[in-house]
Order: sequence, then structure tokens, then C-alpha cells
Amino acid sequence: NAGVTQTPKFRILKIGQSMTLQCTQDMNHNYMYWYRQDPGMGLKLIYYSVGAGITDKGEVPNGYNVSRSTTEDFPLRLELAAPSQTSVYFCASSYPAGPNDEKLFFGSGTQLSVL
Amino acid sequence: KQEVTQIPAALSVPEGENLVLNCSFTDSAIYNLQWFRQDPGKGLTSLLLIQSSQREQTSGRLNASLDKSSGRSTLYIAASQPGDSATYLCAVGGGSQGNLIFGKGTKLSVKP
Repeated sequence: NAGVTQTPKFRILKIGQSMTLQCTQDMNHNYMYWYRQDPGMGLKLIYYSVGAGITDKGEVPNGYNVSRSTTEDFPLRLELAAPSQTSVYFCASSYPAGPNDEKLFFGSGTQLSVL
Repeated sequence: KQEVTQIPAALSVPEGENLVLNCSFTDSAIYNLQWFRQDPGKGLTSLLLIQSSQREQTSGRLNASLDKSSGRSTLYIAASQPGDSATYLCAVGGGSQGNLIFGKGTKLSVKP
């Protein structure tokens, strides 16, 4: 069981470039999340999804977009990358409910630098 | 606005010691509290989840307690081992549907 898989593991972007961070899970979880973790800080929620076709903003959504066309995949799109988006990005999932009731399962993260 | 604080930021202990990690939160209206372990270069692993109606949860050498009224939780690690070295994060659920509010973590180092 692979769990939550994120790609790539590392990426360097130039200011203004765009990219998509991939996240897929094979546990048939309906809830999926994107968090970012800045150095020495706690994780902050960017976007989340309660099921295919449904997404909602978290605490820090500006500069990002998401889509959820399948249960398995939840890609995060960065448009016009800025240095402030330098961070480690984590994808997570849970079933059958959200973090108020269930444990979250995390991927290993994508370390992104914007220079 | 909910804020989660973890003290100390770092802790170093000799192998075999029992230790306590602390977590405090400002708003007692929470659904649950979760403790996670984070290893360098890896994701978070959920250790224990305590529902708001519970006082504690145990898993092996780990015991987590919750006191909602005082806004505190502790993670007790018995007979610490070098393999316990990691950063431990606590997070509370109770805001929007998708959100956990995380502390900054306590970096634990267990010396052989």
C-alpha cells in the first residue's frame, strides 16, 4: 500500500514560473488536503477537498489553485511563483470524515524553492 | 483565533528517560487534538488522536492526555529510545471543516 504519494520531492522555480505539485492516494480516501510548512513554523492549510469535484479554500489559498477530478488525485497548481511560496508542501488524506474526527495520512512532502 | 503553542522548542534527553512534551491552545472549543511525529525529509505520521470527550489515549510507550478546560495536552513518552528522535507536532481540530491548527513542534533528541 503506497498511501499518499507526492511528486516531485524537490523543485527550484524562477520567479514568475508555474508548476503543478502532484498528489495521489490509493486508500480511497474522500478527504484530501494541501498544507505548507515554512521553516520553524506549524503547517498551514492551503486547500482541501471533501470528495471528487468539491474543493474549498483553507487558511492561505492566495497564489494557488486546485482541482479534484478523481478520488485519487489532488494536484496543487502554483501560478506566477513568488519567493514567498518557498516552503515544504504536504498533501494529506483522511476517511471517512475530516480532521475533526479522523487521523490524517501525510505524503513525504515537496520542497520548493522560488528564486 | 485558535493558537497552538508547544514548549519547549527543543529537548535533549539520555536514552531510557521518561519525558513529557507540552501543547497548549487558546480556544477550548475543539473537536479533537492530534499528536504527530515528523522525521527529517519525511511526512507527518499520526501518533494519537484524542476526541474532545476523552481525557487520554495510549499507544505502546506513548500516552497523550487532554484537559480542554485548561487548554493543555501532554504527550508522555516512556523509556525513551534513540529511535524516538524526531519533531513532535500537536494540532487541534475545531475550526473549518478541513483545518487542523498546528503548533510549531518540539524537536526531540534522545542520546544513546
